[in-house]
Amino acid sequence: EVQLVESGGGLVKPGGSLRLSCAASGFTFSNAWMSWVRQAPGKGLEWVGRIRSKTDGGTTDYAAPVKGRFTISRDDSKNTLYLQMNSLKTEDTAVYYCKGSTDYWGQGTLVTVSS
Amino acid sequence: QTVVTQEPSFSVSPGGTVTLTCGLSSGSVSTSYYPSWYQQTPGQAPRTLIYSTNTRSSGVPDRFSGSILGNKAALIITGAQAEDESDYYCALYMGSGISVFGGGTKLTVL
Repeated sequence: EVQLVESGGGLVKPGGSLRLSCAASGFTFSNAWMSWVRQAPGKGLEWVGRIRSKTDGGTTDYAAPVKGRFTISRDDSKNTLYLQMNSLKTEDTAVYYCKGSTDYWGQGTLVTVSS
Repeated sequence: QTVVTQEPSFSVSPGGTVTLTCGLSSGSVSTSYYPSWYQQTPGQAPRTLIYSTNTRSSGVPDRFSGSILGNKAALIITGAQAEDESDYYCALYMGSGISVFGGGTKLTVL
C-alpha cells in the first residue's frame, strides 16, 4: 500500500523557518518525481514546487511566490522528501501536501505563520 | 501572467453528464500542457483522477474521462453519482518546470 506521511507542521512567527518531511512507502521512491502542493484555509490548491528523480537530474523547480525562500530536497536512502521553508510570511499559512509522481498524495500538515 | 481558468461552480443531476473545463486567460490548452485533474472533498486530501490529458489514475471509475475540447482541457463525468459532489481542480504544465492549478470548480449533484 502506498503511503505518504507528512510531518513537521506547526505554528511559526513571520520571518521564521520550518522544515517539513514526507515519509514515503509502498512505491519506488527513488524513481519518483515528488512535489509539494499547498492549500490556504478556504482556498484552492497551489503548486509549490517539485524535485526530479536523481536519474532525471534531481533538479528542482519552484512557484514564483516561494522561489528563493523554500528549498525542496530528498533523501532516497530514507525514502523521505523535505521542504525547507525560510523567511516565512503570513500568506504561507496553509496545509502542505506531499505528492508523489502522478498519483500519490499525503494527508497534509498544517503550517500556521502568525505572530 | 497567464491564469488557469475553471468554472467556479456547476451542477448536474444524478445520472447526468457534465463537462468541466480548464482554460487559459491567454491562449489555448493543448496536450503539451499535460493537463491533470484532481478531486477533493471537504477536509480530505486531493485525489488524482486524470493525468496527461486522458490517462485515468489507478482505481478511478471509468465514468471519469479527460480530453481536449476546443481550446480547453475537459473533465467529463458520465453518469454522475451523489458521491461525485466535490471540488475539482485542474493543473497545467506551463513550461520551464512550472505547474499551475486552476481555481477549482465546486460540483453539486442534485
